[in-house]
Amino acid sequence: DVKVTQSSRYLVKRTGEKVFLECVQDMDHENMFWYRQDPGLGLRLIYFSYDVKMKEKGDIPEGYSVSREKKERFSLILESASTNQTSMYLCASSSPGDRGSHEQYFGPGTRLTVT
Amino acid sequence: EDQVTQSPEALRLQEGESSSLNCSYTVSGLRGLFWYRQDPGKGPEFLFTLYSAGEEKEKERLKATLTKKESFLHITAPKPEDSATYLCAVQAYRGGGADGLTFGKGTHLIIQP
Repeated sequence: DVKVTQSSRYLVKRTGEKVFLECVQDMDHENMFWYRQDPGLGLRLIYFSYDVKMKEKGDIPEGYSVSREKKERFSLILESASTNQTSMYLCASSSPGDRGSHEQYFGPGTRLTVT
Repeated sequence: EDQVTQSPEALRLQEGESSSLNCSYTVSGLRGLFWYRQDPGKGPEFLFTLYSAGEEKEKERLKATLTKKESFLHITAPKPEDSATYLCAVQAYRGGGADGLTFGKGTHLIIQP
């Protein structure tokens, strides 16, 4: 079974703090993703990576950066946390299937509260 | 811009009462349509991938179907443990490589005993 783990289930940070969210997958997947999920807005893509040291902006990258130094690990960084970044953060990984699909497997999520 | 609309937003059924959830989509070249189940406080759990119109996939009490404009998730004789939020997502062709999914807002399903 694919396993995607995230470093924390719950996190509370203060406004202005630098925040690191870590994600690790154990299936040798090429692709990794960060989403945030908010009530009424659904899941929205922040950043993704299709290879080590490669990154692409998603739909809402402002206020975030990412790092992928190893294939299995993808980090999301909030340079200066703000209250509007309070959310559930979900990491996912994928690899091309037989028909080129990219079904993504998700971690358990990190619920971040910025006060 | 890819768009996914799910209906209804919420659905309450009696145990054993079959029904369908709808996912309407617009995408410039569909690579795949995905269904996920999400329990409260957890990450989405992958259920199905559909690639082309006319395709169907089944798993236990769930069956997913696809047309050129929408997908249905049929739930037959549901049980209380089927209660969850069901998410639909699409992925478009954008010249190879990975791409994120575009998700609908989900249907919150409650099955009452």
